Amino acid sequence: DAGVIQSPRHEVTEMGQEVTLRCKPISGHNSLFWYRQTMMRGLELLIYFNNNVPIDDSGMPEDRFSAKMPNASFSTLKIQPSEPRDSAVYFCASSFSSGETQYFGPGTRLLVL
Amino acid sequence: KQEVTQIPAALSVPEGENLVLNCSFTDSAIYNLQWFRQDPGKGLTSLLLIQSSQREQTSGRLNASLDKSSGRSTLYIAASQPGDSATYLCAVRPMGGGNKLTFGTGTQLKVEL
Repeated sequence: DAGVIQSPRHEVTEMGQEVTLRCKPISGHNSLFWYRQTMMRGLELLIYFNNNVPIDDSGMPEDRFSAKMPNASFSTLKIQPSEPRDSAVYFCASSFSSGETQYFGPGTRLLVL
Repeated sequence: KQEVTQIPAALSVPEGENLVLNCSFTDSAIYNLQWFRQDPGKGLTSLLLIQSSQREQTSGRLNASLDKSSGRSTLYIAASQPGDSATYLCAVRPMGGGNKLTFGTGTQLKVEL
């Protein structure tokens, strides 16, 4: 299995632009998670899905952030408009079900200028 | 609100030494605790998962213990090697809280030749 796939691996954009991060979970996994990692705040859960349905989005910082999971093999995290404080590494992870080990993707390193 | 602390923040040891990484959490009502490894520029790799009813888990040179009542977990690495150099994070899942992991800030380990 290829593991969790994320794209792009690196993104540099200017403040105000829309940013879309993509994730393909491991085949057969029915839970998907979006995390953000910064030096100041560490690793934070933004949102997670079970069977393509958003379960907990309380970690989404504000309305500029949105996430979708149109099918079991694809999810997006969108930031519109982006701000410099959104600069971070964004990870996607997946697991077989609630409570099981989560497998992380390599992350997308986002820099907003 | 669950808070997870890892001490020390950084550790440097000579090759071959046995070492212990510490993780403490404020709310003992946890479902399980997981130890991850993160290499620079990469995602997280799960090392060990301990259910709340367990006291320890072992995998090769790694041994993780859990004392839920005192809110502590340790990761013991035997006979450390340069390849063990990485950041180690612990994460707790709350009882009945679904998939919302709370991560510690990590311990950055360097094993020197």
